[in-house]
Amino acid sequence: EVQLVESGGGLVQPGRSLRLSCAASGFTFDDYAMHWVRQAPGKGLEWVSGISWNSGSIGYADSVKGRFTISRDNAKNSLYLQMNSLRAEDTALYYCAKSAGGVIAPFDYWGQGTLVTVSS
Amino acid sequence: QSALTQPASVSGSPGQSITISCTGTSSDVGSYNLVSWYQQHPGKAPKLMIYEVSKRPSGVSNRFSGSKSGNTASLTISGLQAEDEADYYCCSYAGSSTFVFGTGTKVTVL
Repeated sequence: EVQLVESGGGLVQPGRSLRLSCAASGFTFDDYAMHWVRQAPGKGLEWVSGISWNSGSIGYADSVKGRFTISRDNAKNSLYLQMNSLRAEDTALYYCAKSAGGVIAPFDYWGQGTLVTVSS
Repeated sequence: QSALTQPASVSGSPGQSITISCTGTSSDVGSYNLVSWYQQHPGKAPKLMIYEVSKRPSGVSNRFSGSKSGNTASLTISGLQAEDEADYYCCSYAGSSTFVFGTGTKVTVL
């Protein structure tokens, strides 16, 4: 059974940093691209970032480019999102999502999310 | 990377068919047959319903179908059921390893 468990969320002040993690199990992690998708409270889904199986292809939404860094550790079956210079508008539930194949494939499994709140 | 445009809400009676539109640009929906649709019930994670414009993952009801014409993709739900009441989001590949989601549509079963 595919499982994606996000962690690392919490309350953080504007301008500070936070690192999210996603622990994956139930599939061969290094065969698939992975993504982060966020959802602000009461709002829609926003794709944040994606990374190919070997970290060779990486993409970011314009809203986070230059501030967020996605990475993965295939030996640990883990996906990460380093978030710097956080803003109030980054407040959201952050989902880890598995790609159905390469980095352009759809997102076939999702975690339950970890909540990030940016506030002073 | 502007969000794809969806109607805020669509409603229908049980048994009816409804269609949700998803309008993008020639840089996303119009350029790639890589449109997917996600269903999200309140408090739950999204679920993949359609991928590559019109393909259904295993386990998804054949009441759900997708299509695309130009810069607009569509999701049709036939034989509407109470359990279909949820939020629906389209998503398109937008090049350079990036994606863009739609604004979301709330489906209400009357």
